[in-house]
Amino acid sequence: DAMVIQNPRYQVTQFGKPVTLSCSQTLNHNVMYWYQQKSSQAPKLLFHYYDKDFNNEADTPDNFQSRRPNTSFCFLDIRSPGLGDAAMYLCATSRDRASEDIQYFGAGTRLSVL
Amino acid sequence: GENVEQHPSTLSVQEGDSAVIKCTYSDSASNYFPWYKQELGKRPQLIIDIRSNVGEKKDQRIAVTLNKTAKHFSLHITETQPEDSAVYFCAASEGWEGSNFGNEKLTFGTGTRLTIIP
Repeated sequence: DAMVIQNPRYQVTQFGKPVTLSCSQTLNHNVMYWYQQKSSQAPKLLFHYYDKDFNNEADTPDNFQSRRPNTSFCFLDIRSPGLGDAAMYLCATSRDRASEDIQYFGAGTRLSVL
Repeated sequence: GENVEQHPSTLSVQEGDSAVIKCTYSDSASNYFPWYKQELGKRPQLIIDIRSNVGEKKDQRIAVTLNKTAKHFSLHITETQPEDSAVYFCAASEGWEGSNFGNEKLTFGTGTRLTIIP
């Protein structure tokens, strides 16, 4: 049974058209992460929530925003997608902070920008 | 911040032989080192992890060793099988001092594409 669910699996958007990717979890984990993964590269952390506390990576563009309305759901908003934002976006969760508990990844949303 | 280097970037091994992937890290405060396997088009999945109070950990054909003094850790896969073909990522936790421990994160290595040759 899927524990970290990402929707949709594939998303196509137009250059500059806002898009939202969603992630939900059935694990009741405190921490939720958003990663960007480009082809043949490692996942790159964009930001994460520890409960309601938002932690943004210093090099995450302002174009990327996130919301976590409750424990189960987390959203990634890309306000004005550019061609360089085409990538796989991975959501992950962990029960506690990164050094204490493993991260469980969702299957990802592959974003294409036309 | 933490910097994790991973070698080699690609590795081809005959089926049945062993494969070794090595990672080094820069932050001596890092204390948790997981390894993830990612098959083509699929999610990263944890295969083994090790904490700084342990030097070696085994799980069937997979083992990880950690040298805290030298700040390097390695993944060992013995008796390789075709289903071991995938990209493997090492990672290190970057802890944060102070009260806001919730903003710890993993820093990933650049990945190793392992191909098992039948």
